Amino acid sequence: EAGVAQSPRYKIIEKRQSVAFWCNPISGHATLYWYQQILGQGPKLLIQFQNNGVVDDSQLPKDRFSAERLKGVDSTLKIQPAKLEDSAVYLCASSSKIWVHTEAFFGQGTRLTVV
Amino acid sequence: GQQLNQSPQSMFIQEGEDVSMNCTSSSIFNTWLWYKQDPGEGPVLLIALYKAGELTSNGRLTAQFGITRKDSFLNISASIPSDVGIYFCAGQAIAGSARQLTFGSGTQLTVLP
Repeated sequence: EAGVAQSPRYKIIEKRQSVAFWCNPISGHATLYWYQQILGQGPKLLIQFQNNGVVDDSQLPKDRFSAERLKGVDSTLKIQPAKLEDSAVYLCASSSKIWVHTEAFFGQGTRLTVV
Repeated sequence: GQQLNQSPQSMFIQEGEDVSMNCTSSSIFNTWLWYKQDPGEGPVLLIALYKAGELTSNGRLTAQFGITRKDSFLNISASIPSDVGIYFCAGQAIAGSARQLTFGSGTQLTVLP
């Protein structure tokens, strides 16, 4: 079974530029999460989707971050404009059961460096 | 919001030694999870705990759910080089946004030959 696919693996941008990350979850997984992992910290949830609906985006900095999952499968996370403090690994995870984190699997992440 | 304190922040041990790390929370959790993250990879679930006092093993790994429901421990016995990585605890409550996972800051484990 294929895992969670994320691209790109690495991205370097200048501050104030925009960037987008893509996630393809495990086939059939209705729940999709985006996490931000700053160096030296654990992952922090940014947004959770159930199919194409947002379940929780309370920790998403909505002035600069946006995410969508239009067809309930792939998802994109966008940052515009980026700040230096956005440098982090952005992890996507998917699960077949909502709120059952033991059924969630993480992708390899996209490492963003903002200079 | 909920906070998790994970310690130690890093550990350097000799191959074959046992390792112990722990997490404490400012609030009660109903589920404790332990993950391992290798460089360039996402976290991988190692052990899940569901009841206060529960002790669960997965090979050389043993984890316990503290009786106060505010802490958890992970032990690794007879460490080997492939145990190198970052270990994270995570807690989940059951109400509202607390159903999301709260992660600790991680324990970086280095195993010396």
